[in-house]
Amino acid sequence: GAGVSQSPSNKVTEKGKDVELRCDPISGHTALYWYRQSLGQGLEFLIYFQGNSAPDKSGLPSDRFSAERTGGSVSTLTIQRTQQEDSAVYLCASSLKRTGGGETQYFGPGTRLLVL
Amino acid sequence: GDSVTQMEGPVTLSEEAFLTINCTYTATGYPSLFWYVQYPGEGLQLLLKATKADDKGSNKGFEATYRKETTSFHLEKGSVQVSDSAVYFCALSDQIDMRFGAGTRLTVKP
Repeated sequence: GAGVSQSPSNKVTEKGKDVELRCDPISGHTALYWYRQSLGQGLEFLIYFQGNSAPDKSGLPSDRFSAERTGGSVSTLTIQRTQQEDSAVYLCASSLKRTGGGETQYFGPGTRLLVL
Repeated sequence: GDSVTQMEGPVTLSEEAFLTINCTYTATGYPSLFWYVQYPGEGLQLLLKATKADDKGSNKGFEATYRKETTSFHLEKGSVQVSDSAVYFCALSDQIDMRFGAGTRLTVKP
C-alpha cells in the first residue's frame, strides 16, 4: 500500500487479556516506531526498530509491553495482562532511516485500544 | 535533553480568523523542526518542516519559520477554515530521536 497501515483499527478487551497490534510500514522504510497517545496527551515514544539492529526499547512502560519486527517489515506490539491504564491510541510510524537530519516519519491511522 | 514546548489549547477561532500556535524548543545541536496535524479519527500527517535556521516551511496556507535566535517555530495561517479543525503537534528531530509537543487542539467555528 501507499502508506502505513495498522490493524485492528479498534480493539476492546477485558482487563488481564493479552492483545496484539499490527503495523505494516511503507515498503522500503528501514525505521519503524511505536507511540502511545493517551486521551488529551501528546505522543509517548515506546519502541524503535532500525533494519536488523537491536530495537531501542527505552520507552516501553513496563515488561508487559513487547514488540517484534519480522523480516525487517511488519511489526507486532504485544501487551500482556492488559490494564485499564493501557487504554489509548497506539500509533505506528516509519521512515526511510532513523530520524535525523530532517527525516520525516509517516504515521498510520492508529489502533484505538479500550481495556474494560 | 532536547524537548519541545507548544502552546496549550484548546484554541477556538471563527472562520477566516488569523491563527498562531506557539512552539519553542530546546536542543543542544541543530535539529530539524516539524508541524504535524491530526484530523479527527486519523493518524498524524506531516504539515510542514524546516531543516535549518531561517528556513520557512509552508503547506495548505500554513507557515512556520525556523528561528534559531528565539528557538521558535510558531505555526501561522492568515485565514482558517472549518476544515482546519484538528490537533497540531510541533516536533523536532535531532540525530537520535523525534520529540513531540503535547499537541494543540484547534476548533474553527463557521
